[in-house]
Amino acid sequence: DTEVTQTPKHLVMGMTNKKSLKCEQHMGHRAMYWYKQKAKKPPELMFVYSYEKLSINESVPSRFSPECPNSSLLNLHLHALQPEDSALYLCASSHDPGGTEAFFGQGTRLTVV
Amino acid sequence: GIQVEQSPPDLILQEGANSTLRCNFSDSVNNLQWFHQNPWGQLINLFYIPSGTKQNGRLSATTVATERYSLLYISSSQTTDSGVYFCAGSLYNFNKFYFGSGTKLNVKP
Repeated sequence: DTEVTQTPKHLVMGMTNKKSLKCEQHMGHRAMYWYKQKAKKPPELMFVYSYEKLSINESVPSRFSPECPNSSLLNLHLHALQPEDSALYLCASSHDPGGTEAFFGQGTRLTVV
Repeated sequence: GIQVEQSPPDLILQEGANSTLRCNFSDSVNNLQWFHQNPWGQLINLFYIPSGTKQNGRLSATTVATERYSLLYISSSQTTDSGVYFCAGSLYNFNKFYFGSGTKLNVKP
């Protein structure tokens, strides 16, 4: 099983809303990632968790708040987003935090209105 | 960080044709992957290939780590091969993947 599951698949939210994106993997991977992808662009790294601790924050605005409740789950809490935050948000995981093969979820397509 | 260049940026093929996609890295990477992003946005793993050659059906990939490039070969292309192909790599012991800008492939029937 090499599956990373993301929910929801689609999300529309207002600029004053609070919402959360969820990501789950049951491969025993110890590194999990959030990426943001705008149309016609490659994915851009936002956060990396290694052994449930935040190891990389790519200077992401505080309106994005990651959380890793356990080794299988990764959340991204959203608050006071802007329309330019509309994008595809991708979660990924890899076995070794030192860098091994990464597996991606199907993404959450977020629209901020 | 690492600079990743992919070529060509766009490619149009007739069904049945063969193609080669290229990925150049500005520094040595120890984890190199090829992905296919389907129209729904999912990144599908094609190859994990830090070095050497691998084949999977009509697809194969070769990485020459010492020369910092990787190639993805698609033979007998099908319309279902359409989409965007990304390569990505990371430095040793550093779990940040650097993505290339992608090759958009359109296979016409």
